[in-house]
Amino acid sequence: TQLLEQSPQFLSIQEGENLTVYCNSSSVFSSLQWYRQEPGEGPVLLVTVVTGGEVKKLKRLTFQFGDARKDSSLHITAAQPGDTGLYLCAGLTQGGSEKLVFGKGTKLTVNP
Amino acid sequence: NAGVTQTPKFRILKIGQSMTLQCTQDMNHNYMYWYRQDPGMGLKLIYYSVGAGITDKGEVPNGYNVSRSTTEDFPLRLELAAPSQTSVYFCASNRQGISSPLHFGNGTRLTVT
Repeated sequence: TQLLEQSPQFLSIQEGENLTVYCNSSSVFSSLQWYRQEPGEGPVLLVTVVTGGEVKKLKRLTFQFGDARKDSSLHITAAQPGDTGLYLCAGLTQGGSEKLVFGKGTKLTVNP
Repeated sequence: NAGVTQTPKFRILKIGQSMTLQCTQDMNHNYMYWYRQDPGMGLKLIYYSVGAGITDKGEVPNGYNVSRSTTEDFPLRLELAAPSQTSVYFCASNRQGISSPLHFGNGTRLTVT
């Protein structure tokens, strides 16, 4: 079973602070997606990373895919209350029968 | 744009009752999926469809059934509801299969008592 471990599980910070959440596995993935889910809504895609070592920026969010394509991180600079939500990573497995494996998520609360 | 629409938003069932969770999308996506989300457990794939008339089991299909008679609609059927099926159910769709981004509906929160 291919697992994606996300850490931390919960994170509560003050507005303006920086933070990093992690998505780790012992398996190699073809690509990795990050989603944000707000209460009462479905997940919304933030970014897809495909190449080992790839870094993508989305305003104050920076996503990195590990060189070996086994892990990823999401860094938020100067967090705002609007960043509050559940952050999910999802890895696409390699091989003939591709599957999308979701992590359990990091629940982020940014306090004003 | 409506995207993926799920109904109902909330439902309470008694053990043994049946119900159908509705899902429709207006993006002309071939691929559609049903996931369940339990607290602290991530998203688990129940069933998926690669086009009208074609469905297949995901990771946790037991206790559920699906059909796909049109491109737009992908209903999920619970025949004999059990407490273990208490969860939030999400329908999703995409254009090119599991490697492309998923578009999710806003979910149905189901409680079985």
